[in-house]
Amino acid sequence: EVQLVQSGAEVKKPGESLKISCKGSGFSFTNYWIVWVRQMPGKGLEWMGIIYPGDSDTRYSPSFQGQVTISADKSISTAYLQWSSLKASDTAMYYCARKLSEEMANWGQGTMVTVSS
Amino acid sequence: QSALTQPRSVSGSPGQSVTISCTGTSSDVGGYNYVSWYQQHPGKAPKLMIYDVTKRSSGVPDRFSGSKSGNTASLTISGLQPEDEADYYCCSYARTYTSLFGGGTKLTVL
Repeated sequence: EVQLVQSGAEVKKPGESLKISCKGSGFSFTNYWIVWVRQMPGKGLEWMGIIYPGDSDTRYSPSFQGQVTISADKSISTAYLQWSSLKASDTAMYYCARKLSEEMANWGQGTMVTVSS
Repeated sequence: QSALTQPRSVSGSPGQSVTISCTGTSSDVGGYNYVSWYQQHPGKAPKLMIYDVTKRSSGVPDRFSGSKSGNTASLTISGLQPEDEADYYCCSYARTYTSLFGGGTKLTVL
């Protein structure tokens, strides 16, 4: 069974750094693109970027380029999303998903990130 | 890149049909047959319903269908059921390996 298990909820202060994770199982992690999606409270889905764990090829939406860093460790089938300096506006639910062709076929359960002073 | 345009809300009675539109440009929806649709119930992760414009994901009832004309894609749900009440998002490939979501549509089953 394909599964994406994300790390737990985080509460951080503005200016702090953070790295959340997404661990894949039940499929060959190195052969599929992993997508990160943001959902701010009460708002819609936003496509942030993707990574191909096989060679760490990474692409970002223009809206998120320079704001976050996507990485992966294929040895442990895990993708990451990180911030160097969080802002209150980063408060959101973050989902990872496995991309087949262009569709996101399997989703993680989401990681809630709250940034508040 | 701007989000694809969806109606904020649609509604229908059980048994009726509803259609949700998703309008983009020739650089995304109109340029590729890579439109997908996602259903999201409150507090849950999104679920893939339709991909490649018209293909149903495994286990999705055939009441759900997708189509596209020009720069606008559509999701049609026929024979509405109470459990179809949810938010629906379209998504399109938008070149250079990136994709774009629509703003989302809240479906209310009256």
